[in-house]
Amino acid sequence: NAGVTQTPKFQVLKTGQSMTLQCAQDMNHEYMSWYRQDPGMGLRLIHYSVGAGITDQGEVPNGYNVSRSTTEDFPLRLLSAAPSQTSVYFCASSYERSSEQYFGPGTRLTVT
Amino acid sequence: ILNVEQSPQSLHVQEGDSTNFTCSFPSSNFYALHWYRWETAKSPEALFVMTLNGDEKKKGRISATLNTKEGYSYLYIKGSQPEDSATYLCAFYPGNTPLVFGKGTRLSVIA
Repeated sequence: NAGVTQTPKFQVLKTGQSMTLQCAQDMNHEYMSWYRQDPGMGLRLIHYSVGAGITDQGEVPNGYNVSRSTTEDFPLRLLSAAPSQTSVYFCASSYERSSEQYFGPGTRLTVT
Repeated sequence: ILNVEQSPQSLHVQEGDSTNFTCSFPSSNFYALHWYRWETAKSPEALFVMTLNGDEKKKGRISATLNTKEGYSYLYIKGSQPEDSATYLCAFYPGNTPLVFGKGTRLSVIA
């Protein structure tokens, strides 16, 4: 099992550019989520999904879109990158909402 | 937004010392409490998922207790080793909203 995979590992964007962070899991988990990690702020939830076709907003959703067309994949789209979106992004999955979360390796994004 | 507090923010201990830290969470609507270990340049990994008041879990030298009525959990590390150096996160799940993470306790174990 590969577990939770994320691509790319590093990315530099200019302000206004768009991009998609990829996340995939091979554990047949229903629950997937995206977090951002900023110094002194801990992990903050951006969006989450309880199953294919169902997504919902977390604590800091503005500027991000998600979709869940399959159980395996949960991409995160930055619509128009801003310097405030410079962060490390983690994707996670779990069997259900209350279960232990399995985290991907993270994507370090810099917006200049 | 639910408040999950962890204390202390950071801790420096000598190798061989035992240590503990605290996670505080709302005592109403409790469903589960998670502990994660997060090493630098890696991803968080689950240590424990606790669901019952009075629950105690153990993994090697690390153990955790849970008091849902007063809204706190303790994580204990016995005989700290340099490889225990990491950030320890707790996360509270109330059952009707997503998991909420605390900001973590950063532990440094000095050899």
